[in-house]
Amino acid sequence: SQKIEQNSEALNIQEGKTATLTCNYTNYSPAYLQWYRQDPGRGPVFLLLIRENEKEKRKERLKVTFDTTLKQSLFHITASQPADSATYLCALPARNNAGNMLTFGGGTRLMVKP
Amino acid sequence: DVKVTQSSRYLVKRTGEKVFLECVQDMDHENMFWYRQDPGLGLRLIYFSYDVKMKEKGDIPEGYSVSREKKERFSLILESASTNQTSMYLCASSRTGLGTRGEQYFGPGTRLTVT
Repeated sequence: SQKIEQNSEALNIQEGKTATLTCNYTNYSPAYLQWYRQDPGRGPVFLLLIRENEKEKRKERLKVTFDTTLKQSLFHITASQPADSATYLCALPARNNAGNMLTFGGGTRLMVKP
Repeated sequence: DVKVTQSSRYLVKRTGEKVFLECVQDMDHENMFWYRQDPGLGLRLIYFSYDVKMKEKGDIPEGYSVSREKKERFSLILESASTNQTSMYLCASSRTGLGTRGEQYFGPGTRLTVT
């Protein structure tokens, strides 16, 4: 099965700086990778999907890259704000051609200080 | 907007009790999921259903069963609750088909405590 690694230590940054979170995976190469945001006591919320043939995807202040050679995705938040403080999870298809099941990383907690 | 609702936000049960967690989605999604989330262990899939009465085991199905009698409703059953089932339980749904992104929509979660 897929194994996903995200930095379990919290990332603390100053407001206005760019936050960069890392997602590394092993085993097979997925057809896509997703990023979610989770606030304390709430369910995750889908943010972005990037496909294996896409190097980069942007949505407002968010940017995701996908390097299938390194088996890594980077998630960037530019001009970060305290409201961006949350845990960010990456997710990949659980098994090759398994349809809709996802395997989630453990998440990285981001703290943006004013 | 997709809405996924769960029957309780907080639940306290005793060891050995039968526990039902209910999940309802209002967007006619084919797929529904039950996860548990524990500190340091992340989100782990318990069961997945891709159609009415259809189910697949996830990574940690032991001690759980599920029921999907209607498309919009997916129930998680703890036949005999144990203290190691104390956790946050999250339900999710997603659509199948071309043009979908496969993203999952989550409910608010049920924090279950078994004493």
